[in-house]
Parts: sequence; structure tokens; C-alpha cells
Amino acid sequence: NAGVMQNPRHLVRRRGQEARLRCSPMKGHSHVYWYRQLPEEGLKFMVYLQKENIIDESGMPKERFSAEFPKEGPSILRIQQVVRGDSAAYFCASSPGLAGTTDTQYFGPGTRLTVL
Amino acid sequence: AQSVTQLDSQVPVFEEAPVELRCNYSSSVSVYLFWYVQYPNQGLQLLLKYLSGSTLVKGINGFEAEFNKSQTSFHLRKPSVHISDTAEYFCAVSESGGYNKLIFGAGTRLAVHP
Repeated sequence: NAGVMQNPRHLVRRRGQEARLRCSPMKGHSHVYWYRQLPEEGLKFMVYLQKENIIDESGMPKERFSAEFPKEGPSILRIQQVVRGDSAAYFCASSPGLAGTTDTQYFGPGTRLTVL
Repeated sequence: AQSVTQLDSQVPVFEEAPVELRCNYSSSVSVYLFWYVQYPNQGLQLLLKYLSGSTLVKGINGFEAEFNKSQTSFHLRKPSVHISDTAEYFCAVSESGGYNKLIFGAGTRLAVHP
């Protein structure tokens, strides 16, 4: 049973370019979360999605960042016109979405974005 | 809103010694509590979680944690550490009854020396 997959593992972009980060949740999981980890800091929540719906994007920067989780295919975190401050590790987590209880989030290995 | 404070950014310890990693939280509502471990250049792995019931929670790799509501703490302990326990440890909370948006502490780097 494959875990949460993220690709690419490392991504280098120049300022002004676009970055696309992909996350394939564990089989049977319908909930996806994105977190960002800046150097020497803990993870910060960005966005929570279910299939075709954004449930909570309170942690997303208002500009340049967007996320989607289509009916088919992986979840995508998109950063337009990247700046040096976007350099970080971006982690995706998935959960089965069990009703009436809290269900554990399983984390992927992360994508390390470096903006030159 | 919830917040998490991990009181020690780094904890050096010798192999086979006991260790405690401290975590305090603040919240106006009931919370669930978690400890995750992150090995270098890897994702996070769940060590243990407290949802309800017994305040002493046992996790993987010989770790345990105790929920103390009056002191709003959830300290992680291991009676005898191994070199392989060297990693970053994160305490996290989420609002109970809600979905699982996790609020993380800044992390504690545990360095086990021979």
C-alpha cells in the first residue's frame, strides 16, 4: 500500500517562474492538506481540500498561491511568480475523511522548493 | 485559536539515557494532541496521539506522552534512547470535533550521542 506521494522531491525555480507541486494521497483517502515548512520552523497549515472542493484556505497567501484537488488525478499546489521567500519545504498530508471522529493525517516526503 | 510551544529547540542526550521533550499548548476549546517525528529530508511520521480517555498514551518506538489538562501540557518521554532516535520532533494540536487542521510547534531537535 503506497503512502502519500509527492513530486517532484526537489524543485528549483528562478524568481518570476511558476512552481507546480503534486500530491497523490494514499489509496482510499479523500482529504488532502498542504503545509509549508520554512527553514528552522515548524509546519504551517496552508489549505485543506476534499475532492473538487476547497474547505479551508485560511493559511494560503492571498496572492500567487492556489490549490486544487480534482475528481481525477493528484492535488496540485501552484505558486505563480515565485519569490525567494517562497523557498521552503511543502508537505502534503492525506486522511480517509472518517465521519464523526478525527482521522490521522499521513504525510508525504515533501517537495523542497528553492527559488534562485 | 490554538497555539503550541515547544520549550526546547535542541535536546542533546547520551545513548541509553532517558529523555523528555516538552510541549505546552493553549486553546479555548477542547483539543486533540499529537507528536510527530521527522527524520532528515523526510516527511512526518506519527508517533502517538491523544484523543480522549487515558491521559498516558503509548506510541511507536518506545515513546509515550502524558496529557495534563490543568497544565495544558503533553510532554513526550522515552526511558532509554538510541542513536536512531536522532531526529526533529513536532508537537501538534487540532480542535476536537472539527476537521484535522494541525497547528504545529516549532520543533525540538533531539541529538543522541554515543
